[in-house]
Amino acid sequence: DAGVIQSPRHEVTEMGQEVTLRCKPISGHDYLFWYRQTMMRGLELLIYFNNNVPIDDSGMPEDRFSAKMPNASFSTLKIQPSEPRDSAVYFCASSVDRVNEKLFFGSGTQLSVL
Amino acid sequence: DQQVKQNSPSLSVQEGRISILNCDYTNSMFDYFLWYKKYPAEGPTFLISISSIKDKNEDGRFTVFLNKSAKHLSLHIVPSQPGDSAVYFCAASKETSGSRLTFGEGTQLTVNP
Repeated sequence: DAGVIQSPRHEVTEMGQEVTLRCKPISGHDYLFWYRQTMMRGLELLIYFNNNVPIDDSGMPEDRFSAKMPNASFSTLKIQPSEPRDSAVYFCASSVDRVNEKLFFGSGTQLSVL
Repeated sequence: DQQVKQNSPSLSVQEGRISILNCDYTNSMFDYFLWYKKYPAEGPTFLISISSIKDKNEDGRFTVFLNKSAKHLSLHIVPSQPGDSAVYFCAASKETSGSRLTFGEGTQLTVNP
């Protein structure tokens, strides 16, 4: 199994630009999570999906952030417009059939907003 | 409101010695706890877990201890190896209600040869 696949690995953009992060979960996993890692807050959950349906988006910082999961094998996290404080590592993760069991993480996207 | 806290941002130990990583939580409803390890430029990977019905769980060199009354858990690595150098995250949830995982800030462990 290829694991959770994220793209791009690195993204450098200018303030105000739209940023789209992509994720392919492990086949057969029912849950998909988007996390953000910062030094101050560690790993923060932004949003998670169950069977492609958004369940909890209370961690999404602002309306500038949106996430979609059009099918079981693909999800996007979009930031529009981006700001320097959005700079962080964004991780996608999936799990088989429970929201609180062990998660399988992708390698992350390092986002830098200048 | 940081419900799961790892108060030590970093820890340095000598190869062969014991590494002890600590984690505190505030929500008494948490009943399932996990540790993840993260290498640079990689995503976190699951290491070991423990349910609140137990106070200890072992897997090879890794042992997790849970003290429910103190709302404290710890990860012991014995003996420590240079390859254990990584960031370690603890996470907690209310398993019975299916709540999502809450992660701590992480502790950078460095094992010196």
